[in-house]
Amino acid sequence: NAGVTQTPKFRILKIGQSMTLQCTQDMNHNYMYWYRQDPGMGLKLIYYSVGAGITDKGEVPNGYNVSRSTTEDFPLRLELAAPSQTSVYFCASRPTSGVNEQFFGPGTRLTVL
Amino acid sequence: AQSVSQHNHHVILSEAASLELGCNYSYGGTVNLFWYVQYPGQHLQLLLKYFSGDPLVKGIKGFEAEFIKSKFSFNLRKPSVQWSDTAEYFCAVRMDSNYQLIWGAGTKLIIKP
Repeated sequence: NAGVTQTPKFRILKIGQSMTLQCTQDMNHNYMYWYRQDPGMGLKLIYYSVGAGITDKGEVPNGYNVSRSTTEDFPLRLELAAPSQTSVYFCASRPTSGVNEQFFGPGTRLTVL
Repeated sequence: AQSVSQHNHHVILSEAASLELGCNYSYGGTVNLFWYVQYPGQHLQLLLKYFSGDPLVKGIKGFEAEFIKSKFSFNLRKPSVQWSDTAEYFCAVRMDSNYQLIWGAGTKLIIKP
């Protein structure tokens, strides 16, 4: 298993540009999450999904959108990039039952200038 | 509001010193507790977790943590640290059957060789 994969690893955007951060997991996990990590702030939940076709807002959803058309994929969309969205973005997944550990991807470092 | 506090943002120790990192949460109901570690340049990995039973849990690489319900705490310990333990450590709490984890701000641990 590749686990949770994210692309790209790094990206620089100009203010107002848009982009999609990709996240894929091959563990057949129903739950998937998008976090942003800012220095000294821990992880903040942006959006999460409990299964294909179902998404919900987390703590900091403004400026982002998600979709979950398949179990494997959970892309995060930034429509109008702003400097405040400069951060490291992590995708995670976990199974519905049993072990409740979240498995993380390697992250995407995004800079908005 | 529910929150997770990690009191030390930076800790510097010499090799072979003992380690204790604090984690407190504010919630009176049932909790699942986690410690994750992020080594430099790598993604988050689970160190250990508590769901029920023995409040002293052992994780990977010689780490352990003790859940003290009366103190709402889940402190991470290691009797003798190594240079390779240099990393950022995050405490996370799942409250009741919530889908989300609430994360602490993280503690950067630097071990001097």
